[in-house]
Amino acid sequence: DIVMTQSPDSLAVSLGERATINCKSSQSVLYSSNNKNYLAWYQQKPGQPPKLLIYWASTRESGVPDRFSGSGSGTDFTLTISSLQAEDVAVYFCQQYYTNPMCSFGQGTKLDIK
Amino acid sequence: QVQLVESGGGLVRPGGSLRLSCAASGFSFSNYYMSWIRQAPGKGLEWVSFISDSDSTTYYADSVKGRFTISRDNAKNSLYLQMNSLRAEDTAVYYCARAYQSKYLFDHWGQGTLVTVSS
Repeated sequence: DIVMTQSPDSLAVSLGERATINCKSSQSVLYSSNNKNYLAWYQQKPGQPPKLLIYWASTRESGVPDRFSGSGSGTDFTLTISSLQAEDVAVYFCQQYYTNPMCSFGQGTKLDIK
Repeated sequence: QVQLVESGGGLVRPGGSLRLSCAASGFSFSNYYMSWIRQAPGKGLEWVSFISDSDSTTYYADSVKGRFTISRDNAKNSLYLQMNSLRAEDTAVYYCARAYQSKYLFDHWGQGTLVTVSS
C-alpha cells in the first residue's frame, strides 16, 4: 500500500503571504505510460465535504482560484497558496489515485491565519 | 448541477447493520464510477469501497471486506452501502463520491451521513 505523508500537520500564515504544504508518497505515483502523476489535493472546510482543488499533481479544477497551484513529481509534491485569503482556512489533504483497487490520503494539514 | 445526497446514517449497536443510500442528480449517473469514503470524527479520510459504472466490479478496503457490500441502481440513480457486523471503529461520516477521469479521483462529494456504532 502507498502511504501518503503530509508536512507540516498544521501551519499558520499571515493574510497575503504564501502557504506551502508538502506531501510525500512511499512509492512513485508517476505512471510512465502517460507521464502523469496520480496525485490530487482537496480542501475541507469545517462541516463540509472535501473539495477537489488540484489533480494530475498540477491541474487546477474548474473554478479554483489561480492562487492555488500544485507541483512535484514521482514521490514529492507541494500545494502552494500564493497569497493567503481568509476563506482559505481549512484542512488540506493530498491523495494518490495511482493504485488499484484502492487509493490513499495524507493525514491532512490544518491551515490557519497567523 | 451535480448533487449527491446521502441518507441512512444513525446510531447502531456493535454487531448491528445499517444501509446507507446516496441519491444522485444532475449528471448521467450510469456513466460514472462511484465510491464510498469515510471520515472518523476529527480524523482523516479513508476510502471504503468502489463500484464500476455497470455494477460489474466492486472493491473494498481490507478494514470492511466481508462486512460491507456496495451496490447501485442506475435506474434509480442511487448508490448503496450495506454495512453488517458494525464495530465501534466504523463510526464516521460516510461520503459518497463521484469518480472523474480516473477510478479514484473524486470531483464531487455528498455532504455525508454520520454513522455511530455504540452500545
